[in-house]
Amino acid sequence: GQNIDQPTEMTATEGAIVQINCTYQTSGFNGLFWYQQHAGEAPTFLSYNVLDGLEEKGRFSSFLSRSKGYSYLLLKELQMKDSASYLCAVDGAGSYQLTFGKGTKLSVIP
Amino acid sequence: DTAVSQTPKYLVTQMGNDKSIKCEQNLGHDTMYWYKQDSKKFLKIMFSYNNKELIINETVPNRFSPKSPDKAHLNLHINSLELGDSAVYFCASSQDLGENEQFFGPGTRLTVL
Repeated sequence: GQNIDQPTEMTATEGAIVQINCTYQTSGFNGLFWYQQHAGEAPTFLSYNVLDGLEEKGRFSSFLSRSKGYSYLLLKELQMKDSASYLCAVDGAGSYQLTFGKGTKLSVIP
Repeated sequence: DTAVSQTPKYLVTQMGNDKSIKCEQNLGHDTMYWYKQDSKKFLKIMFSYNNKELIINETVPNRFSPKSPDKAHLNLHINSLELGDSAVYFCASSQDLGENEQFFGPGTRLTVL
């Protein structure tokens, strides 16, 4: 089976840095995705990690530790438009389907 | 041009009815998906489908059935609608199965009365 945990809600200040954690226990593992979903909109792709380590993409970075079953999404220089839900999703080996966590709702305040 | 489109955007219907949601992608992708997002915003895979195989999430009732007339379309048919089917349904596509980025449609908000 698949179990993915992430905090339900977080609040951070504009201009600050926030880290959203995701832990997973899965029967197989190919890689881990992060998606962003604004209220009332579709999820959009942010990152995909296969190997251990940090991948940086502009203001957003994603980290993976396969041995610990752990990932985080790091958002720097927060902007009001970053207020959204952030979904962690595991690509399980052999399943060909993504299993999503319940998402972390991030609120950026002035 | 919209990459993944769905119709209708909103669907309100009575219990017991049969309804369909259409999905089209113009990305040339081989694989399409249907997801259900409930009121708690939990996004759950229902089906994944490419021209070779249909993979069904075992928790999906058989009242739900995907139908693919061609590689660019994957429609979702729902029979005998129930109150618990109320949710937002997202279609998505990716180049192939597995580790590829998925592109999501705008969603269809289904309300069953």
